[in-house]
Amino acid sequence: EVQLVESGGGLEQPGRSLRLSCTASGFTFGDYALTWVRQAPGKGLEWVGFIRSKVYGGTTEFAASVKGRFTISRDDSKSIAYLQMNGLRTEDTAVYFCGLTEYSSNWYISYWGQGTLVTVSS
Amino acid sequence: DIQMTQSPSSLSASVGDRVTITCRASQGISNYLAWFQQKPGKAPKSLIYAASSLHSGVPSKFSGSGSGTDFTLTISSLQPEDSATYYCQQYNSYPRTFGQGTKVEIK
Repeated sequence: EVQLVESGGGLEQPGRSLRLSCTASGFTFGDYALTWVRQAPGKGLEWVGFIRSKVYGGTTEFAASVKGRFTISRDDSKSIAYLQMNGLRTEDTAVYFCGLTEYSSNWYISYWGQGTLVTVSS
Repeated sequence: DIQMTQSPSSLSASVGDRVTITCRASQGISNYLAWFQQKPGKAPKSLIYAASSLHSGVPSKFSGSGSGTDFTLTISSLQPEDSATYYCQQYNSYPRTFGQGTKVEIK
């Protein structure tokens, strides 16, 4: 059974950093890409960023709102992906979901984690 | 960026009704369109990818269609457990973008 578990959320002050983890099980993690999506309180879904599998270069893409502040990495030996969030802003407050991302002509999300809440406030 | 516009923003329908949600892209995205269902306080669930392909385990009452800029999600016979917000997402280009969501309620 595919499982994705996010962790690392919490309360952090503006300007500080936080690292989220997405721990995967039930599939060969290294064969897949991983997407991060967030949802601010009472709002819709916002795509944050994405990391390809190593076979596709392990490269990343980001939304303009987080580019230069957030990075994504992966440790395939541990089946974990990370979202490093630097220079946090109050508008980064959201539930952050990770999504198993498959390739079929293009990359699409097939399974989701349960999410972890990040609150940025002084 | 590609803008995704869903309509309606919300709807109320009776059990057994056929429900259709539309999603329009601001430019052509071929068939790189996914649909997700999200219930309150829960993670999204993947329903459809490639505009019309059902994810494993998704009941056949859900169907998707469209290509280019106009897409639809149809629930053939609405049930109480289908009460949720539905989102479309394009994965043709970066940044990926979502529609604003359509809230489906049961009358």
